Amino acid sequence: GEDVEQSLFLSVREGDSSVINCTYTDSSSTYLYWYKQEPGAGLQLLTYIFSNMDMKQDQRLTVLLNKKDKHLSLRIADTQTGDSAIYFCAETTPGDYKLSFGAGTTVTVRA
Amino acid sequence: DGGITQSPKYLFRKEGQNVTLSCEQNLNHDAMYWYRQDPGQGLRLIYYSQIVNDFQKGDIAEGYSVSREKKESFPLTVTSAQKNPTAFYLCASSIAQGSYNEQFFGPGTRLTVL
Repeated sequence: GEDVEQSLFLSVREGDSSVINCTYTDSSSTYLYWYKQEPGAGLQLLTYIFSNMDMKQDQRLTVLLNKKDKHLSLRIADTQTGDSAIYFCAETTPGDYKLSFGAGTTVTVRA
Repeated sequence: DGGITQSPKYLFRKEGQNVTLSCEQNLNHDAMYWYRQDPGQGLRLIYYSQIVNDFQKGDIAEGYSVSREKKESFPLTVTSAQKNPTAFYLCASSIAQGSYNEQFFGPGTRLTVL
């Protein structure tokens, strides 16, 4: 995989929406993923999107994919304190099932 | 319960000593992976294995070694050649088919070299 970039920090008020952004450089990416890591723990898959889709919604989560700009975003509606974590975007490309991860965005939810 | 276990959760070693981190999965996954996580650098792939008795170097394999003698187990040895071994190590596994690759992660081992 190629480089995957994310901003490192996001602070959001409880109840507001959070938007986490990610850019990638490999235009042949097939799947793009969002993982969540709580403090001191492993990663959990939150959601994913196939490259022929523009949007995917799953309860409070909305994923938007702009293939032209190679931009991926994750929106969390009604952000709660339990959403405080590090969020990683990742990609796979054809013929290569390894994941390429971004550096992670640390989301802090304040009361 | 199916899942991935890593042990120990915290590990302290003196400089110059080799240390082996354990990773076991009962998900019947063919592929297993080792990542290193440092603050602000995301996850970097150390080694991965698609099948028993076979493994490949990832992006930062120098100073590490692995074995894959059983499908369930993929231990990682951090050798004395690794210049900066203090980090959080994560093991993962997945079904190694096609481009969709949901990886399941263990809880991690935090290694501190004194």
